Amino acid sequence: GAVVSQHPSRVICKSGTSVKIECRSLDFQATTMFWYRQFPKQSLMLMATSNEGSKATYEQGVEKDKFLINHASLTLSTLTVTSAHPEDSSFYICSASSGQLTDTQYFGPGTRLTVL
Amino acid sequence: LAKTTQPISMDSYEGQEVNITCSHNNIATNDYITWYQQFPSQGPRFIIQGYKTKVTNEVASLFIPADRKSSTLSLPRVSLSDTAVYYCLVGGGDKIIFGKGTRLHILP
Repeated sequence: GAVVSQHPSRVICKSGTSVKIECRSLDFQATTMFWYRQFPKQSLMLMATSNEGSKATYEQGVEKDKFLINHASLTLSTLTVTSAHPEDSSFYICSASSGQLTDTQYFGPGTRLTVL
Repeated sequence: LAKTTQPISMDSYEGQEVNITCSHNNIATNDYITWYQQFPSQGPRFIIQGYKTKVTNEVASLFIPADRKSSTLSLPRVSLSDTAVYYCLVGGGDKIIFGKGTRLHILP
């Protein structure tokens, strides 16, 4: 149980375009989803926390107008990287939890974004 | 949010037991301790979670002393496929902050 999927697994786009990444909890209802970014040889950096039906909470330094997050249902959250630039190239990972105090975050497999 | 400190890297040999200790001196009363494993270009995989004393599952054990200011992940009889980065995280179901993790390298 506790499976989280991401789509696409890999995307290459031109500078200036927008890219949408989907995160789905397949076998549980995720009241809370998290988006992380990871650069090579570095740890995961939390970008934002989203609760179903409400606006996402962004970490300091993360541009909310650039990284649009929508958590429209209990099984789906999307991250849209708007007007992507080469410096946005990274590994994006989502996680989901049911929001309980002791609940574990389950992570998706990640999406490799390359902006040319 | 509790900050965690782990060794940056560790080496071990196949078949050995590996213990990775994490310090979390300012852990809060409601915080749980969770360990994840991450392979390159993959999302972290849940290993084990505990609050106090000892927890064991099919892949690992987690030892937590009474003061909860540290925890030790124990991997029995490691194999080459256990080469990965291991993260110790402390939190209570809300956002968690990843530390640098421990890069475990298993040698034949």
